[in-house]
Parts: sequence; C-alpha cells; structure tokens
Amino acid sequence: QTVVTQEPSLSVSPGGTVTLTCGLSFASVSTTYYSSWYQQTPGQAPRTLIYSTNTRSSGVPDRFSGSILGNKAALTITGAQAEDESDYYCMLYMGSGIWVFGGGTKLTVL
Amino acid sequence: EVQLVESGGGLVQPGGSLRLSCAASGFTFSTYWMHWVRQAPGKGLVWVSRIVSDGSSITYADSVKGRFTVSRDNAKNTLYLQMNSLRAEDTAVYYCARVGPVASHTMIDYWGQGALVTVSS
Repeated sequence: QTVVTQEPSLSVSPGGTVTLTCGLSFASVSTTYYSSWYQQTPGQAPRTLIYSTNTRSSGVPDRFSGSILGNKAALTITGAQAEDESDYYCMLYMGSGIWVFGGGTKLTVL
Repeated sequence: EVQLVESGGGLVQPGGSLRLSCAASGFTFSTYWMHWVRQAPGKGLVWVSRIVSDGSSITYADSVKGRFTVSRDNAKNTLYLQMNSLRAEDTAVYYCARVGPVASHTMIDYWGQGALVTVSS
C-alpha cells in the first residue's frame, strides 16, 4: 500500500516562513508525480493551491510556492498570515489512473 | 461560475447501498474528467475514483474496488457514485471534484461542498 507522508502538524509565526513536505514510503518524489497541494479549513471544501509541483492555481497569493526539496515535494509559505492557519494536503499521481493523498499537515500560525 | 453540487447522502445500514449524485454547471461537463474524494470525520482526504470525460476509463482506490461504481450522464451534466456493501469505515463526506485540463489531467481545480454518508445500524 502506497503511503504518502506529511508532517502531522507544524507551526509558524506571523510573517515567518514554513515548509511543508510530502514524501513517499518507497521512492523519491519527482516532478513525474505531478504533486499538487490543497488547503482546507474546518467545515469547508478544499481549495487548490499548487499543481504540477510548482504552478500556482488561479488567485493563489504568491506567498505560496511549490518545489521539490531533496526527495520530497514541498509547499513553502513565505510571510505567513493568520488566515493561512489550515490543514494542508498533498496529492501525488501514481500513474495508471491512481492518485494518493498525504495524511495532511495541520498548520498553526501563532 | 463553476458549480458542483452533491446530493443523495444520508444514513444507511451496514451492507446497504446508496447513490450519490453530483450536478455540474458553469462549464462543459462532457469535456472534463472527474474525481470522487472522501473524508472521514476528523480525518484526511482520500482519493476514491476517477472517470474520464466520456466514461470510457474509470479507476478506483483498492478500498472501494468491487463495491463502488462511478458513472456519468453527460446529457444531464451529472456524475454518480453508486456505493454497495457499505461498511462503517465508508462513513465520510464525499466530494466530487473536477480534474483541471492542465498538467496532464493530474490536478483538481474545483471541488463540490460534499455530501455526508453515515453507515451505522
């Protein structure tokens, strides 16, 4: 069973920078996994932030950026704001029409 | 404006069946791939299934394969999720989501608000 790993929780100070990562249990994440990132606040549907590793979705502030760091996909928030306090999920395309989400990271801004 | 509206959720007994619908509007539904994604209470997102634009290819997560069936009616702009042999662990909010026409169809660009399915006796 494919396991996509994310930090369960992270915290960042307002105005600070934080990096969330998305790894695979059996391989390095590369651009061929077309990583995407989604933000979700409690009781709401997810919102798309990043796709294809590093492309921001329409209307997403440029403080959100995606990349590959080492062997993982990464979402970096530069200049975090209070409204960025949310759950964040990565999604990887495994090929053959199969996708897998990570377990999610709960980000606290304090 | 793109809208995805799920319906058909509710309470069902273990072993029972339920069909969810997702009504799409604001875009040419027949040209887009679609996903179903679920989220158990207090838990993370889980990919369930993907169907291509003409319904000719459908893939499923192992956890629902053989029990769930996805279909679409492009004339009615509606996506369906038929769920059979339901288990307590299928309790979740079920989201329909549109696959963006970029990045080789690997990302989701719009999400519905979700429909709650509760499996309990």
